[in-house]
Amino acid sequence: ETGVTQTPRHLVMGMTNKKSLKCEQHLGHNAMYWYKQSAKKPLELMFVYNFKEQTENNSVPSRFSPECPNSSHLFLHLHTLQPEDSALYLCASSLRQGSDYGYTFGSGTRLTVV
Amino acid sequence: EDKVVQSPLSLVVHEGDTVTLNCSYEVTNFRSLLWYKQEKKAPTFLFMLTSSGIEKKSGRLSSILDKKELFSILNITATQTGDSAVYLCAVEASSGNQFYFGTGTSLTVIP
Repeated sequence: ETGVTQTPRHLVMGMTNKKSLKCEQHLGHNAMYWYKQSAKKPLELMFVYNFKEQTENNSVPSRFSPECPNSSHLFLHLHTLQPEDSALYLCASSLRQGSDYGYTFGSGTRLTVV
Repeated sequence: EDKVVQSPLSLVVHEGDTVTLNCSYEVTNFRSLLWYKQEKKAPTFLFMLTSSGIEKKSGRLSSILDKKELFSILNITATQTGDSAVYLCAVEASSGNQFYFGTGTSLTVIP
């Protein structure tokens, strides 16, 4: 266990479904990140929250909606996804935004859109 | 266009061999370069490099950055089967804290 917990581990959803991914850390970190890892593509940064404020939205389609109710929890709400959204979604955290403090990644949620 | 390129894409070696993984980058407003080891799912942090010519070491792993030629190498000596993983290189740009990841090098160490 890395200290960053993601649930569920696997998710299969239809294109009309609404689901949410959850990320939780109790490392005392104040920055949290969502990444998308597709097969044979580089890891893509999606969203960044620093002290609960969204500081980065990397041109992500609106069918992905992040939520950060507190520094320990991060959600990614999904609706009307496309098959090409199937990927591994990784959550990470760091003490503050920026690489000086290193990153801790969760194990990811494997999402399949059918 | 900002990009990070890693080579080789995959590598198979025998235990005890030494390997060198490469990461070249073209990123505006470079801030730092990071190496990660990814086994199964979660990448684990290895090194962060910000200055040229200063080698960072952790056990059998070492890494160095050349900001003039825009590349970094990750060396693993006396490889073990537990070193089998995908090694990711990422470059952070200072503008907006944007990260650019390479596609990784898949290393397989066979007994």
